[in-house]
Amino acid sequence: DAGVIQSPRHEVTEMGQEVTLRCKPISGHNSLFWYRQTMMRGLELLIYFNNNVPIDDSGMPEDRFSAKMPNASFSTLKIQPSEPRDSAVYFCASSFDTEITGGYGYTFGSGTRLTVV
Amino acid sequence: AQSVTQLGSHVSVSEGALVLLRCNYSSSVPPYLFWYVQYPNQGLQLLLKYTSAATLVKGINGFEAEFKKSETSFHLTKPSAHMSDAAEYFCAVTRYGGSQGNLIFGKGTKLSVKP
Repeated sequence: DAGVIQSPRHEVTEMGQEVTLRCKPISGHNSLFWYRQTMMRGLELLIYFNNNVPIDDSGMPEDRFSAKMPNASFSTLKIQPSEPRDSAVYFCASSFDTEITGGYGYTFGSGTRLTVV
Repeated sequence: AQSVTQLGSHVSVSEGALVLLRCNYSSSVPPYLFWYVQYPNQGLQLLLKYTSAATLVKGINGFEAEFKKSETSFHLTKPSAHMSDAAEYFCAVTRYGGSQGNLIFGKGTKLSVKP
């Protein structure tokens, strides 16, 4: 398996532009998570999906952020309009999670380093 | 609600010395506990996990961790540090059984290994 695949690896954009980050989870995993990592705030969960349904989006900082999971093999995180304070590394992770056997742990992608200038 | 506290944001050891990274958790229900490692410019990788089986858990790269309920701790150890162990380490907790939902991460501990 190729693991969790994120694209792009690096993104530099100007303030006010729309940014779309992409994630392909591991085949067969039914949960997908978007995290943001900064020096100041560490790892923050933005949103997670279970069986393609958003379960908890309380970590999404503002309405400028939106996430979708149209099918089991693809998710996007969109920022519109982007601001310099959105600069961070954004990680996608997936896991196989059931009501009975939770505890498998997450597999993380390599992240997208976003710089908004 | 669950939470984890990692003591020490930066730990420095000499090559060959014992590595001890501390993690204390708070959970109102039996927890699942994890250690992840992050090498520079990479995502997090699972080192080991505790899911209510043996209290001493062995992971990859010679790391192990012991679940101590009385101390609410899950410290990570390695008998002899190697230069390649230099990375950031994250402790995480989620609730036992049921959906994982939100895996709660600690702030991380950056491990430096001196030659």
